[in-house]
Amino acid sequence: QKEVEQDPGPLSVPEGAIVSLNCTYSNSAFQYFMWYRQYSRKGPELLMYTYSSGNKEDGRFTAQVDKSSKYISLFIRDSQPSDSATYLCAMRRPGANNLFFGTGTRLTVIP
Amino acid sequence: GAVVSQHPSWVICKSGTSVKIECRSLDFQATTMFWYRQFPKQSLMLMATSNEGSKATYEQGVEKDKFLINHASLTLSTLTVTSAHPEDSSFYICSARPSSGRAFSETQYFGPGTRLLVL
Repeated sequence: QKEVEQDPGPLSVPEGAIVSLNCTYSNSAFQYFMWYRQYSRKGPELLMYTYSSGNKEDGRFTAQVDKSSKYISLFIRDSQPSDSATYLCAMRRPGANNLFFGTGTRLTVIP
Repeated sequence: GAVVSQHPSWVICKSGTSVKIECRSLDFQATTMFWYRQFPKQSLMLMATSNEGSKATYEQGVEKDKFLINHASLTLSTLTVTSAHPEDSSFYICSARPSSGRAFSETQYFGPGTRLLVL
């Protein structure tokens, strides 16, 4: 079993839709959770960073962490064609350096 | 803030030559940097963790003599692919973790990546 599971998609939605992206994980020691956006042929860009459980909102993006279910989500409201990219979840244990990544979900927002 | 640069952005080389890729943190210091490679439509694969002033830590299956890492300062790490072969062609991405003391030091910031093509 992989430590982090993420549906690779692809996911296509019409412009303006609400997008829900999810990851599950198996290691209860993970405390730091991140979402990265990666455009084609570019490096990942940090979108959201959350510590432990709870919600965090930044503009059209909301990150949720449910540690009891080992489940994290990223919601994108009023999706735009420019949101079309691959979204990677990542997480880390306290005191550890390396991140564990999901496989990434490829999102296309259709104008 | 939190900008990481990589140079070159792409490189084409002949089989058997060595290629050096630079990773710089432009507006913060990074005790720890990371090197990843990514194949098309796949996620990032961690190759090694680069620690300033000490030897890099390589992931299982990554040849340390083939992928030489040097982290000589708090803002620069280099990856040298020695005697490159076509199977080394990939997208190499570095990341940097800001040194402790900053609010966002628990995460990593990625460079734009270097595309390597070995002929």
